[in-house]
Amino acid sequence: QQQVKQSPQSLIVQKGGIPIINCAYENTAFDYFPWYQQFPGKGPALLIAIRPDVSEKKEGRFTISFNKSAKQFSLHIMDSQPGDSATYFCAAALTSGTYKYIFGTGTRLKVLA
Amino acid sequence: EADIYQTPRYLVIGTGKKITLECSQTMGHDKMYWYQQDPGMELHLIHYSYGVNSTEKGDLSSESTVSRIRTEHFPLTLESARPSHTSQYLCASRGTGLNYGYTFGSGTRLTVV
Repeated sequence: QQQVKQSPQSLIVQKGGIPIINCAYENTAFDYFPWYQQFPGKGPALLIAIRPDVSEKKEGRFTISFNKSAKQFSLHIMDSQPGDSATYFCAAALTSGTYKYIFGTGTRLKVLA
Repeated sequence: EADIYQTPRYLVIGTGKKITLECSQTMGHDKMYWYQQDPGMELHLIHYSYGVNSTEKGDLSSESTVSRIRTEHFPLTLESARPSHTSQYLCASRGTGLNYGYTFGSGTRLTVV
């Protein structure tokens, strides 16, 4: 009930490609779904987040697509650049109560120049 | 500019030593968290706090302890370090209101020899 399943584990794309990372959750009470970007030697940084009342959110080249009925959400990176090479984590949380993130297992993205 | 600070960044220590990993934030956030991140990337919650004098154990069992005597300070202590404690430790915080994102520190990479 508390798991967030993330795929793929790793991804290699050419510059300009559109990598897509997928996450699936089980607990329908989750109401906040963020994505984090982590570079080597750094802590994760919040990239973009979505609430379940919208199906899509864009911020610059990053887009979250959210499918409430399927309990899935995904991150799309448009016009990917070598500087986007990082590890990406999805998460899910209940914003009321104890408010703890449940993180996905991470996706290591490499964008080739 | 990071508003959450972790020291030291790297630590190599012998088995049996007592160590304290420091975490401080300047944002006045009530909620603070410690995560353990292994080289395989996954983030595991080991401790969290919702305010001064409030601490809880996380989802991953840990031999470490934490304290929260001041809002801005959330140190993690290992009474007797072991090689199995070798990992990266990430501290995070979150404020109140509609900003639900975590702010992470850069982490402490601990090696116990």
